[in-house]
Amino acid sequence: DVKVTQSSRYLVKRTGEKVFLECVQDMDHENMFWYRQDPGLGLRLIYFSYDVKMKEKGDIPEGYSVSREKKERFSLILESASTNQTSMYLCASSSTGGSGNTIYFGEGSWLTVV
Amino acid sequence: AQKITQTQPGMFVQEKEAVTLDCTYDTSDPSYGLFWYKQPSSGEMIFLIYQGSYDQQNATEGRYSLNFQKARKSANLVISASQLGDSAMYFCAMRELSLSSGGSYIPTFGRGTSLIVHP
Repeated sequence: DVKVTQSSRYLVKRTGEKVFLECVQDMDHENMFWYRQDPGLGLRLIYFSYDVKMKEKGDIPEGYSVSREKKERFSLILESASTNQTSMYLCASSSTGGSGNTIYFGEGSWLTVV
Repeated sequence: AQKITQTQPGMFVQEKEAVTLDCTYDTSDPSYGLFWYKQPSSGEMIFLIYQGSYDQQNATEGRYSLNFQKARKSANLVISASQLGDSAMYFCAMRELSLSSGGSYIPTFGRGTSLIVHP
């Protein structure tokens, strides 16, 4: 069964802390994505990666960075967490090209910054 | 400008009735794909249905069908015979080709529609 796994389901962090959200997929997908989801705003793309060590900014990259050292793993980093980064974070992956018509999601990571 | 517009923040439907969730999109790319996802209160994103821009027929998956009107840039989701378990958030999404990103398709999501099914 295909799987996208997010390492932490629920986190509570303090303002200013460095936060790592890890995502691993077992489908050998080229593309991986990080979204944040807020009520009324839907899913907004933070960063995506289309290959190892390749990354592109999405719509809301400010305050975030990413790392993709291995094909199966895509990490989201909050260098200095702030309260406005309290949100639900979703990792997703997909294959490259028109034949990959499904985006697979992890279960989500609920982050609270206090 | 939003690429995906879902104009219905919330919808109510009686159990066993059909319901249509609206989605319009904006793209100049001739090759794109349209998705619908369901998100129950648990937070997981469940893939429902996919329509490619070159597909001649409307996609169907069980009780779900996608009413694809290309000229209107519309991709409404129709759920027939609603069930209580259909109560959830529903997201419309579009993927477009990004030539600058290794030929990858980048998905963009709408703001979602909250569907409540009444017994």
